[in-house]
Amino acid sequence: NAGVMQNPRHLVRRRGQEARLRCSPVKGHSHVYWYRQLPEEGLKFMVYLQKENIIDESGMPKERFSAEFPKEGPSILRIQQVVRGDSAAYFCASSPPQTGGTEAFFGQGTRLTVV
Amino acid sequence: GESVGLHLPTLSVQEGDNSIINCAYSNSASDYFIWYKQESGKGPQFIIDIRSNMDKRQGQRVTVLLNKTVKHLSLQIAATQPGDSAVYFCAENGGRSGGSYIPTFGRGTSLIVHP
Repeated sequence: NAGVMQNPRHLVRRRGQEARLRCSPVKGHSHVYWYRQLPEEGLKFMVYLQKENIIDESGMPKERFSAEFPKEGPSILRIQQVVRGDSAAYFCASSPPQTGGTEAFFGQGTRLTVV
Repeated sequence: GESVGLHLPTLSVQEGDNSIINCAYSNSASDYFIWYKQESGKGPQFIIDIRSNMDKRQGQRVTVLLNKTVKHLSLQIAATQPGDSAVYFCAENGGRSGGSYIPTFGRGTSLIVHP
C-alpha cells in the first residue's frame, strides 16, 4: 500500500525557470494539501484541493504559483519564474474523503533549490 | 492573530527518560489536534491525534493531553529511545474549507535523545 509519493525528491532550477512538483496521493484519497517548509521552521499551508477543484488557496502567493489536481493523474504544484526565495522543501499530504481531512498523510517532500 | 506555537525549540533527554513536549494554541474554535514527528530529510509522520471532547488519549508509548481551559497541548513519550530523536510539531485544524480540516502547524520542537 503505497503512501503519498512526491517527485522529484530534489529539484534544482536556475532563476527564471519553471518548477513542477508532483504529488500522487494515497490510492482512494481525494483531498490533497500542499505545504512549504523553510529550514528550521514549521510547515506553512499553501493550498487545499479536491479532485478538479481548488478548495482553499489562501496560503498561495498571488503570483507565479499555481496548483491543480486533475481527475486523472497526480496533483501538480507549479512555480513559474523561480527566485532564490522559493528554495524550500515542499510537502504534499492526502486524506480520504470520509475522514474530512483529519487523517492527513505526508509525502517525503520535494527539495527545491534555486541557483 | 490565531496561531499555534511551541514553548521550547529544543529538548534534550537521556535514553529511557520520559519526554514532554508542549504546545500552546490560540484558536479557541479549534476542535482537532494532531502531533507529527519529522525526521531529518523526511516528511511529517502522524503520531497521535485528539479531539476537543477529550482530555487525554494514549497510543503506543505516547500520550497526548489537552487542556482547553488554558489552550495547551502536550505530547508525552515514555521511555524515550534514540529513534525518537526528531522534530515534533503540533497542528490544529486551521479551517473548514469545503467541510474539511486544514492542519495548521507550529514551529516545532527538536527532541534530542542521548544514549
